[in-house]
Amino acid sequence: DAGVTQSPTHLIKTRGQQVTLRCSPKSGHDTVSWYQQALGQGPQFIFQYYEEEERQRGNFPDRFSGHQFPNYSSELNVNALLLGDSALYLCASRRSGEEYNEQFFGPGTRLTVL
Amino acid sequence: AQSVTQLDSQVPVFEEAPVELRCNYSSSVSVYLFWYVQYPNQGLQLLLKYLSGSTLVKGINGFEAEFNKSQTSFHLRKPSVHISDTAEYFCAVILLSGGYNKLIFGAGTRLAVHP
Repeated sequence: DAGVTQSPTHLIKTRGQQVTLRCSPKSGHDTVSWYQQALGQGPQFIFQYYEEEERQRGNFPDRFSGHQFPNYSSELNVNALLLGDSALYLCASRRSGEEYNEQFFGPGTRLTVL
Repeated sequence: AQSVTQLDSQVPVFEEAPVELRCNYSSSVSVYLFWYVQYPNQGLQLLLKYLSGSTLVKGINGFEAEFNKSQTSFHLRKPSVHISDTAEYFCAVILLSGGYNKLIFGAGTRLAVHP
């Protein structure tokens, strides 16, 4: 079992550009969440996808959007990048169906905006 | 508003000494409670969780935590730390409303174990 995988590992962009980050969930998982972890901070919830729809969203602007594919993999898109978008972006997956199922985190994508 | 407060941003400790990392939360609804560990350049790994039942929970790597509802705390403890425990530790909650298992994290505590 490969666990949660994310690509790319690192990414450097300039202000105003757009970026797409990718996540493949752990085998058997159908729900994917994205978190932003700024340097020296705890992760902040961006949004969650289930059945190819955004089910819940944190306090992030519309520049942050996502997608979930039929194979449960997911993308995070960020438009009009700002310096403050520099962070580690973490993907987490879990199985739906129970009140609580453990979320498993990927290693993250380190985004640097210059 | 719901929040998680980790009272210490950094905790230095000598190898084989005991350690406690403090966490308090505020919430108007019931919560599940978690501690995660993050090693350098890695994602988050679950150390332990409290969902219900006994308020003392044991996790991996010899860590344990105690849920205190009256003090809204969930402090993490280890009786004897190793150099390999050096990492960032995050306390987190899931609110038992909404049903989406959204994790709310504290700012983290950096544990530095010295020889």
